[in-house]
Amino acid sequence: QKEVEQNSGPLSVPEGAIASLNCTYSDRVSQSFFWYRQYSGKSPELIMSIYSNGDKEDGRFTAQLNKASQYVSLLIRDSQPSDSATYLCASATGSARQLTFGSGTQLTVLP
Amino acid sequence: GAGVSQTPSNKVTEKGKYVELRCDPISGHTALYWYRQSLGQGPEFLIYFQGTGAADDSGLPNDRFFAVRPEGSVSTLKIQRTERGDSAVYLCASSSGLAGGQETQYFGPGTRLLVL
Repeated sequence: QKEVEQNSGPLSVPEGAIASLNCTYSDRVSQSFFWYRQYSGKSPELIMSIYSNGDKEDGRFTAQLNKASQYVSLLIRDSQPSDSATYLCASATGSARQLTFGSGTQLTVLP
Repeated sequence: GAGVSQTPSNKVTEKGKYVELRCDPISGHTALYWYRQSLGQGPEFLIYFQGTGAADDSGLPNDRFFAVRPEGSVSTLKIQRTERGDSAVYLCASSSGLAGGQETQYFGPGTRLLVL
């Protein structure tokens, strides 16, 4: 059973809109969460990391974590066509370093 | 500075052959990871090195897969008797090794392996 679940999409939003990407995880000992962006044919690139309940903002990106609901989300404000990519949610447990990834959500921002 | 590098970028081989994939991590990073990514899926963990030793090899699918990091820097993933199901992108990542599960893992460009 997949430990990290994402809606595979595709998700399409118009340019300038807010894109909302969601992720749930099943392992309650997961402590660290990461959002990676992956352009087609390229390697994953870290966008945001979050470790505590609540919101974390970095420019146009906001990550939200709710450990009680085992839910992580990524909001992208003022979406740009260059944001079109697959977004991967990943978790790590305590001192264990391996990342467990979801299958990714494909986002398309329409000009 | 330079990021994670991987060679070759593409590898085509025949079923049953042996292949080696190389990863050169970011200088100074003591932690090194191998993942495998199939089309339409997220990366799947294979093995993690801290220094020269394999700290966690629980993701290796079977004994045809083996990885080494003899000097604590460059790592080689070795696949014996390749099968068509081994076709995937093999990603290497490295991190500082100092902050446990909160470390950022930096990924290399990957090696695209195709087994015919």
